[in-house]
Amino acid sequence: SQKIEQNSEALNIQEGKTATLTCNYTNYSPAYLQWYRQDPGRGPVFLLLIRENEKEKRKERLKVTFDTTLKQSLFHITASQPADSATYLCAFSGGWGKLQFGAGTQVVVTP
Amino acid sequence: GAGVSQSPRYKVAKRGQDVALRCDPISGHVSLFWYQQALGQGPEFLTYFQNEAQLDKSGLPSDRFFAERPEGSVSTLKIQRTQQEDSAVYLCASSLAGSNQPQHFGDGTRLSIL
Repeated sequence: SQKIEQNSEALNIQEGKTATLTCNYTNYSPAYLQWYRQDPGRGPVFLLLIRENEKEKRKERLKVTFDTTLKQSLFHITASQPADSATYLCAFSGGWGKLQFGAGTQVVVTP
Repeated sequence: GAGVSQSPRYKVAKRGQDVALRCDPISGHVSLFWYQQALGQGPEFLTYFQNEAQLDKSGLPSDRFFAERPEGSVSTLKIQRTQQEDSAVYLCASSLAGSNQPQHFGDGTRLSIL
């Protein structure tokens, strides 16, 4: 079965730097890969979607890459701010659109 | 409202009691999903509705879990004879149809079984 792995250790980063998160998977490449942000006590919030045949997607200070050879997606937050502190989840879109999530990586941005 | 609404936000029940969790999706969203999230983990898929039809219930942990969406709008997740291992956050999400659609999540119901 598909396994999705994200860094389990929290990523501590200084304000203004670029945060880079990884999402690795074991088997087939999904047609779509999505990234969500989750704050404590809240539901996940959609950030970006990247298709299997896309190499890169950007939205404001966010960038996602998708390498089907390495079976990896990278998520970058440039010029990070304390308000970016949250847990970031990658997810595969499966049949019907149901999502299979990784465990998430916590990002802590310090001033 | 503008987003997905879930109620109650918190539910405490004694082991063996039945509970019902409600989800009000975004109006016009065909797809509705339920997920279960344990502490420190990502959400795990439970079940999926397309309008009123439950097309996938492969993630439901046992036959004590039951979900419905009778009119293709509001959905209820029911857990019968609750067990301590049912303690988790239950998230509801809705979206337009299609596997390339982003999902809009509610803030969940935190269920604690004593």
